[in-house]
Amino acid sequence: AQSVTQLDSHVSVSEGTPVLLRCNYSSSYSPSLFWYVQHPNKGLQLLLKYTSAATLVKGINGFEAEFKKSETSFHLTKPSAHMSDAAEYFCVVRRARAAGNKLTFGGGTRVLVKP
Amino acid sequence: NAGVTQTPKFQVLKTGQSMTLQCAQDMNHEYMSWYRQDPGMGLRLIHYSVGAGITDQGEVPNGYNVSRSTTEDFPLRLLSAAPSQTSVYFCASTENLSGANVLTFGAGSRLTVL
Repeated sequence: AQSVTQLDSHVSVSEGTPVLLRCNYSSSYSPSLFWYVQHPNKGLQLLLKYTSAATLVKGINGFEAEFKKSETSFHLTKPSAHMSDAAEYFCVVRRARAAGNKLTFGGGTRVLVKP
Repeated sequence: NAGVTQTPKFQVLKTGQSMTLQCAQDMNHEYMSWYRQDPGMGLRLIHYSVGAGITDQGEVPNGYNVSRSTTEDFPLRLLSAAPSQTSVYFCASTENLSGANVLTFGAGSRLTVL
């Protein structure tokens, strides 16, 4: 079985300050890990993915995430928040070659960016 | 633009009514799936298909039916709607199940069951 825990349901940051979204996972197999972003009334868009290559993964819009196997974490960061980063973010785990492409989603973290 | 198209965007039903959420993709993706999104629970897989004529259940299949007669289309049917099916529904597709293929999501369909 696999599971994903996003440690904060809401994060509030000021524009220009760093953003940290925390994600812990459990998986019996070597997982693939993803971060998706969902802007209001929109579908989900991929930010970045980890697939057992480099542990530091760079994504779109200045986001990056570090895979730490020893801590079973995949935290998402951005050095300087922009107003357009206000959205909900989902950490997702997929077991390698899982039947049915069964992704397990975290509960989501809603990011508020203050001017 | 290529992508995943869902219709309708909004729908209100009464308990017991039936309806179909439509999903179409023009990327020749083998894999298609339906998720529901509920507050604090992320997305949960309802049904999926790995190709035309092949469907299987996901995590929360009860109350929903699917079919895959063509590669492009993957409709989701609610035969007798219940208030517990009030949710936002997302269709997603990807080329196949090899590697860590990224899902392409539709814009969502918001369903309210009264």
